[in-house]
Amino acid sequence: DGGITQSPKYLFRKEGQNVTLSCEQNLNHDAMYWYRQDPGQGLRLIYYSQIVNDFQKGDIAEGYSVSREKKESFPLTVTSAQKNPTAFYLCASGTGDTQYFGPGTRLTVL
Amino acid sequence: EDQVTQSPEALRLQEGESSSLNCSYTVSGLRGLFWYRQDPGKGPEFLFTLYSAGEEKEKERLKATLTKKESFLHITAPKPEDSATYLCAVLDTGGFKTIFGAGTRLFVKA
Repeated sequence: DGGITQSPKYLFRKEGQNVTLSCEQNLNHDAMYWYRQDPGQGLRLIYYSQIVNDFQKGDIAEGYSVSREKKESFPLTVTSAQKNPTAFYLCASGTGDTQYFGPGTRLTVL
Repeated sequence: EDQVTQSPEALRLQEGESSSLNCSYTVSGLRGLFWYRQDPGKGPEFLFTLYSAGEEKEKERLKATLTKKESFLHITAPKPEDSATYLCAVLDTGGFKTIFGAGTRLFVKA
C-alpha cells in the first residue's frame, strides 16, 4: 500500500526535552513538508524539502529542525527552544502542486 | 501577502439540506486551489485541485467551483458521514508554499 506514515500517533514531552517525530512515504514523491495545526488556525508550515539533502524554513521554523537524508524520510525534531510545542503535527508529501497528508502526531508537553 | 479566508467557521445542516462553503483568497497569481476534508484527530484527505476560473470538479455529493476571487464547495443532500472540517488552500505562481485557511466545520444531523 502506498502512503504516508507518521509515528508515534501520540507523544508526550517533558519541558527541556528534544523529541523527534517520524515521517515516511513510499509514494516516490520528491517534496515533503511539515505543518503544525492549532485549534482555530490554518495549517502553518514549519519546514519543507524539495529534494534529498536540501530543505528550507517555513513560516514558523524557530525551535524545530529537520533532515532529509533519504527520499522516503523527513523527520522533525522539536527542540527545547520551542516554547509552545503542544500541537497536532502533520507531515505531507507531494509531486507537482498537490500535497498528501499523513495521519498526524499529537504532541503534548507535560 | 497571500491570504485564505473560509466562511462560515461552522455550519450545521439537517440531512438532505444542501448548502455551500466559501473560500475567498488573495494571491498575486493563482497556481492552484485545493480542497481537503479532515476528520477529528486525523490528517487532511485530498478532495480537489482547481486551476482556473470557471473550472468545476465533482465527487459524490461534493462539487467545487472556482472564480477569480473565491471558491465554493457545494454539498448536495448531505449525510451525517459528511460531517468533518473542510480545508481550503492556495498555491501562488511565485512560491513553493501552500497557504491554508482555518477551515469550516460541518455538522450534518440525521
